[in-house]
Amino acid sequence: AQSVAQPEDQVNVAEGNPLTVKCTYSVSGNPYLFWYVQYPNRGLQFLLKYITGDNLVKGSYGFEAEFNKSQTSFHLKKPSALVSDSALYFCAVSDTSGTYKYIFGTGTRLKVLA
Amino acid sequence: ETGVTQTPRHLVMGMTNKKSLKCEQHLGHNAMYWYKQSAKKPLELMFVYSLEERVENNSVPSRFSPECPNSSHLFLHLHTLQPEDSALYLCASSPQRTGSYEQYFGPGTRLTVT
Repeated sequence: AQSVAQPEDQVNVAEGNPLTVKCTYSVSGNPYLFWYVQYPNRGLQFLLKYITGDNLVKGSYGFEAEFNKSQTSFHLKKPSALVSDSALYFCAVSDTSGTYKYIFGTGTRLKVLA
Repeated sequence: ETGVTQTPRHLVMGMTNKKSLKCEQHLGHNAMYWYKQSAKKPLELMFVYSLEERVENNSVPSRFSPECPNSSHLFLHLHTLQPEDSALYLCASSPQRTGSYEQYFGPGTRLTVT
């Protein structure tokens, strides 16, 4: 069965430090992987995606994510966190088997401390 | 702004009321989605429309009734709701239904059922 896990409900990081938000997945076939961010009282905003090719994907606002097929992970990273990065982050996966089901994780709240 | 608008932004309704949520996308996309977002739960995909045809209904109770009159507009008609239906309802669109495309979300309608 297709699933996405975000093992941390909340991640705290000091401003200027690197941040990582974790995501692991389970799909049949090759995955399409996505990261979204949600600010208060807003819908989800697309950050980046992995479809194929280079395992390191760069996205909006300085975020990047690394696809690791052997560990079935797609962790979100940023070299230097900003207070304005504080938000709710969602990982999502879609499979390539033809059903194109799009599954979201439960979300990780990132809090960047000044 | 993502190019997806939702009205109203907030809605309070009694269990015997009938109301409708509206979504409009200005992106020329062919697929539209309704999601339910409840606290500490993954986003729940409710309905998917592709080229105005409903292609997926994830076992949603009949008190929720979608309508897609054209590729730019999506409605969610609500009647005799339950308190557990209180949530943030998000509309999204994508160029096609295939899973490689990111989705563009509206800001959501915060629904409270009293």
